[in-house]
Amino acid sequence: NAGVTQTPKFQVLKTGQSMTLQCAQDMNHEYMSWYRQDPGMGLRLIHYSVGAGITDQGEVPNGYNVSRSTTEDFPLRLLSAAPSQTSVYFCASSQQGVYEQYFGPGTRLTVT
Amino acid sequence: QLLEQSPQFLSIQEGENLTVYCNSSSVFSSLQWYRQEPGEGPVLLIALYKAGELTSNGRLTAQFGITRKDSFLNISASIPSDVGIYFCAGDNNAGNMLTFGGGTRLMVKP
Repeated sequence: NAGVTQTPKFQVLKTGQSMTLQCAQDMNHEYMSWYRQDPGMGLRLIHYSVGAGITDQGEVPNGYNVSRSTTEDFPLRLLSAAPSQTSVYFCASSQQGVYEQYFGPGTRLTVT
Repeated sequence: QLLEQSPQFLSIQEGENLTVYCNSSSVFSSLQWYRQEPGEGPVLLIALYKAGELTSNGRLTAQFGITRKDSFLNISASIPSDVGIYFCAGDNNAGNMLTFGGGTRLMVKP
């Protein structure tokens, strides 16, 4: 099993550009989440999904969109990138009823 | 932050023991400890579910407070490969809503 995979690993965007961060898991987990990590802030939840077709907002959802058309994939879309979205983004998955989360390796995004 | 971790930074000699603390004013249904190495995602170390629960994983020991608002993680006989950022994370019984502490950055000097 590859676990949770994320692409790209690094990305530089200009302000106003849009892009999609990809996340996939091969563990058949129902739950998937997106977090951002900023220095000294820990990880903050952006959006999450409890199953295909179901998504909900986390702590810091503004400026991001998600969809969940399959169990395996959970892409995160930046609609119009802003410098405040410079961060490291982590995707995670977990089984229903089990709180432990498995994290991907992260995408380091810089918005200039 | 909802979960306060202390200390924020810890530099110790190899072989020493250390303890990281996690405190909140909120009640959590579960409390987890993760370790993150540079350039990687966090990896689960220990998960706590019951009030007062004390759990070990090798040289790591963690306990969930009886009020379910606090926890500690103890690492004994530290080694250089223990370096990284240690996070506590609490689940507020809303399924996938994990709240993370700010992290403790650990350095171990040989």
